[in-house]
This record gives sequence, structure tokens and C-alpha cells, in this order.
Amino acid sequence: KAGVTQTPRYLIKTRGQQVTLSCSPISGHRSVSWYQQTPGQGLQFLFEYFSETQRNKGNFPGRFSGRQFSNSRSEMNVSTLELGDSALYLCASSGLAGGLTDTQYFGPGTRLTVL
Amino acid sequence: AQSVTQLGSHVSVSEGALVLLRCNYSSSVPPYLFWYVQYPNQGLQLLLKYTTGATLVKGINGFEAEFKKSETSFHLTKPSAHMSDAAEYFCAVNNQGGKLIFGQGTELSVKP
Repeated sequence: KAGVTQTPRYLIKTRGQQVTLSCSPISGHRSVSWYQQTPGQGLQFLFEYFSETQRNKGNFPGRFSGRQFSNSRSEMNVSTLELGDSALYLCASSGLAGGLTDTQYFGPGTRLTVL
Repeated sequence: AQSVTQLGSHVSVSEGALVLLRCNYSSSVPPYLFWYVQYPNQGLQLLLKYTTGATLVKGINGFEAEFKKSETSFHLTKPSAHMSDAAEYFCAVNNQGGKLIFGQGTELSVKP
């Protein structure tokens, strides 16, 4: 079974621009979660989608948004980029129900650098 | 709110020595606990998880962890470190379905 894939792997943007990151979950998985990883703040939850609906949301500004398509693929968008948005963005997919005990399987991440 | 604390941002051991990475959680409800490992420039890989039942959980690569409710701990151990174990390790608790709350991570170095 193919794992979680994320595209692109690396991105360089300038302040004020917007960016869209893509995540393809493991086949059959319906829950997709996004995390931001930075040296200072560690791993922080952005949001989770389940069956095309946002089910959970972290404490990030409205510039961060996402969506999920009917095939469970997910995208996240960051508008008006700031220097502090430079991070590794990780996507994870989990099980059929996306429950508390389900294992989240992570992709390799997208490294975003904002100049 | 649930939270996770990992004691020690850096741990260094000699090859063949015991690995002990500490994790304490706070939770007002029964926790579901996970340990993940991250190698450089990669995503996270599950080592093991505790949901219910046996409190000693065995994972991949010879790692295991014991859930101790009285101590609110879920420490990760491996009897004998290998050079390939050098990586960053994260303890996490599942709060609401697809929302994992992570500790700050512990970087493990293994000296030859």
C-alpha cells in the first residue's frame, strides 16, 4: 500500500504571497490532519478533515485554511505569507473512522521557506 | 486540556546502553498515547501506541513503553541502543480524533 504523499517537498516563497500544499492519504483513509513543525514551537496541530468536513481546528490565524476532496485528498492554503510561516508542514492520514485510537500515518512533509 | 511533557530535549547514550526517554501526560480522561520517531528530513513513524489493555506495549525496532496511570507516565525504553536509533522522538496524546498533541521532542544521540 502506498504511503501518504505530499507535494511539493520544498517551496520557497516571499512574504505576502500565498501557497497551496497538497496531501494524498493512504488509500481508504478518510481522515487527514495537518501539522506545522518549527524548531521553536515544535509540532502544532493545524486542522483535521474527515469526509470533506473540517472536524477539528487548531489555534492558527484565518490565513491558514484547508479543504478535502471527495477522494480524501487534502490541500492546505496559507495566504499573505509571513516569515514565521517558514516550517515543515506535515500531513497525516488515519483509518476509516479517524478515531482516538487510530494510528496517524505521516507523509514526508513540505518544507516551506518564506523570504 | 491535555498536554504532554518530555523531560530532556537531548539524550545521549553509548551504543549498547539502555535508552530511556521520558514522557508525562496530563489528561482528565483515559489517554491514548503514542510514540513517534522522526529521522532527518523525514516524516514521523509510529513506534508504538497505548489504547487499552496491557500496560506494557511493545513496538518496532525493539522499543517498548509502559503506561503508568498513577505516575501519568509513558516512558519509552530500549535495552540496547544502536547507532541507527539516533533520531528525534515524540510522545503524543490523542485529544479529539485526528488531533494529536505532541511533546516538544527528545533528540537521541548514540555514541560509538
